[in-house]
Amino acid sequence: GAGVSQSPSNKVTEKGKDVELRCDPISGHTALYWYRQSLGQGLEFLIYFQGNSAPDKSGLPSDRFSAERTGGSVSTLTIQRTQQEDSAVYLCASSLATGLHSGNTIYFGEGSWLTVV
Amino acid sequence: EDQVTQSPEALRLQEGESSSLNCSYTVSGLRGLFWYRQDPGKGPEFLFTLYSAGEEKEKERLKATLTKKESFLHITAPKPEDSATYLCAVYNQGGKLIFGQGTELSVKP
Repeated sequence: GAGVSQSPSNKVTEKGKDVELRCDPISGHTALYWYRQSLGQGLEFLIYFQGNSAPDKSGLPSDRFSAERTGGSVSTLTIQRTQQEDSAVYLCASSLATGLHSGNTIYFGEGSWLTVV
Repeated sequence: EDQVTQSPEALRLQEGESSSLNCSYTVSGLRGLFWYRQDPGKGPEFLFTLYSAGEEKEKERLKATLTKKESFLHITAPKPEDSATYLCAVYNQGGKLIFGQGTELSVKP
């Protein structure tokens, strides 16, 4: 696709429910990243994928958070038993690879706005 | 621990008043420094990547520079449409992009 696509763009859910957030990276991009941005805060790293594997899961806040990527393309971030503190914008990004070299830019989607009530 | 600190947190300028934003960093093996622009309700928009000390890049009214400890984003004769939050991020050896808290820039006509 032309850019990183995320869905849903907005989600309101009740506390305790599970939610799934989807990211469709730029075609051909092998690296995919998930970040969280709370209101007025900077971007917090959650996890990144190189292909279908996740070398670094250290940013996931708790075991209620999980992510998977299949076919080296679409990724899903799942939050189980949502809490109010999970309310934030969840941003996905992609790049050609994780090895940094000239031209390997990381592009972001517009984010999924999650509100837990 | 890898860390990125941006200053000031907020900056108010008059149209045409040039200034600079600072990004100080400590990182284990810098593999690149990124600048992004973020408008309210939008995802970060890529501006520049700098790879080595002494490197400079320009785009319209923006110029980014890099030293071994910090990066500056210089804004020359800003316009109201330059108002946004500017984010700095460093890419470390582990493949993680670590962001600063951002500088919220407001340019008044």
